[in-house]
Amino acid sequence: EVQLLESGGGLVQPGGSLRLSCAASGFTFRSEAMSWVRQAPGKGLEWVSGIGGSVAGTDYAGSVRGRFTISRDNSKNTLFLQMNSLRAEDTAVYYCAKSYDDRFFDYWGQGTLVTVSS
Amino acid sequence: QSVVTQPPSASGTPGQRVTISCSGSSSNIGRNPVNWYQHLPGTAPKLLIYSWIQRPSGVPDRFSGSKSGTSASLAISGLQSEDEADYYCAAWDDTLTGWVFGGGTKVTVL
Repeated sequence: EVQLLESGGGLVQPGGSLRLSCAASGFTFRSEAMSWVRQAPGKGLEWVSGIGGSVAGTDYAGSVRGRFTISRDNSKNTLFLQMNSLRAEDTAVYYCAKSYDDRFFDYWGQGTLVTVSS
Repeated sequence: QSVVTQPPSASGTPGQRVTISCSGSSSNIGRNPVNWYQHLPGTAPKLLIYSWIQRPSGVPDRFSGSKSGTSASLAISGLQSEDEADYYCAAWDDTLTGWVFGGGTKVTVL
């Protein structure tokens, strides 16, 4: 059974940093592309960043490029999102999502809440 | 503002058919497959339709997808109370080099 478990969310001040993790199990993690998708309060889903599987190229949404860094540790089956220079508009539930053959997201985690506020 | 547009809401009575549109451009829906997700707030989003019309195993055949140029549609026939949720279309955008989601459509069962 595929499981994705996010952690690392919390309250952080504007300008601060936070590192999210996503522990994966139930599939060959190193072979699959992964993404982070977020949902701000009262808003829709927004793709944030993605990373390839075996060839770990990365992509970012324009709203986070230069501030967020996606990475993965295939030896620990874990996906990360390093978030720097956080802004109030980054407040959201952040979901980890597994990509199937770069075509769609077939599994999602339950999400972790990030709140950026002073 | 999303580059892919959906109506904010749709509704129907039990048993009715509801259709949700998803309008994009030549850089996303016009050249890449559309996927649909069902989302209940506070839960993990669920893949509903992929590659325009394909249903993952376990998704009822009441849900169907279609394509027309730079637009896509999701139809829910035989609407049921458990279908009350938010529905999102998504596609890869070649210009933005990222996934774009529609703004979401909240389906209400009257």
